[in-house]
Amino acid sequence: ELKVEQNPLFLSMQEGKNYTIYCNYSTTSDRLYWYRQDPGKSLESLFVLLSNGAVKQEGRLMASLDTKARLSTLHITAAVHDLSATYFCAVETSGSRLTFGEGTQLTVNP
Amino acid sequence: SAVISQKPSRDICQRGTSLTIQCQVDSQVTMMFWYRQQPGQSLTLIATANQGSEATYESGFVIDKFPISRPNLTFSTLTVSNMSPEDSSIYLCSVAGSRYEQYFGPGTRLTVT
Repeated sequence: ELKVEQNPLFLSMQEGKNYTIYCNYSTTSDRLYWYRQDPGKSLESLFVLLSNGAVKQEGRLMASLDTKARLSTLHITAAVHDLSATYFCAVETSGSRLTFGEGTQLTVNP
Repeated sequence: SAVISQKPSRDICQRGTSLTIQCQVDSQVTMMFWYRQQPGQSLTLIATANQGSEATYESGFVIDKFPISRPNLTFSTLTVSNMSPEDSSIYLCSVAGSRYEQYFGPGTRLTVT
């Protein structure tokens, strides 16, 4: 059974600081997704990482994938309050099915 | 990207009743899925909605409890049957796009009393 683990689960950080969220998974997969969820809202797609070594950046967020280590990271640079949300990684398996991590609840404090 | 709508957006239902949730996509898609997000939890895949055939259910989910229809390439329904308070969740449909993207609908927030 595929397991997807995120850490930390809760992250409180100050504006302007940098931090990294980690996503480990237990079986081979070449496709990994990052989503953002605001309270009471659906999921917003942030990144899809398609191969080993993939790196994608959008604004203050950068995601990377190491399929050999079965690890993805979501790096936050110079955090701002608007980034406060819950972030999920999800690993794709056969049939385009997604297995989600537990989510990281990020709070950025002024 | 695909635009997905769901109906209803929320509902409060009594124990023992059933609710059917609709998912409409603005373009034809091959793969459609139903997920559940229990309060404060992550998302769990319920089933893959297959067009023209029976849905494929994940471990722990059964057709009698969560019957799914997929009459065409743009529409699917999920029924939550014989509801109990433990079924209170957000139910989301999703589709796999053409460029390795997966999009989620706005969700249906279900409360069972």
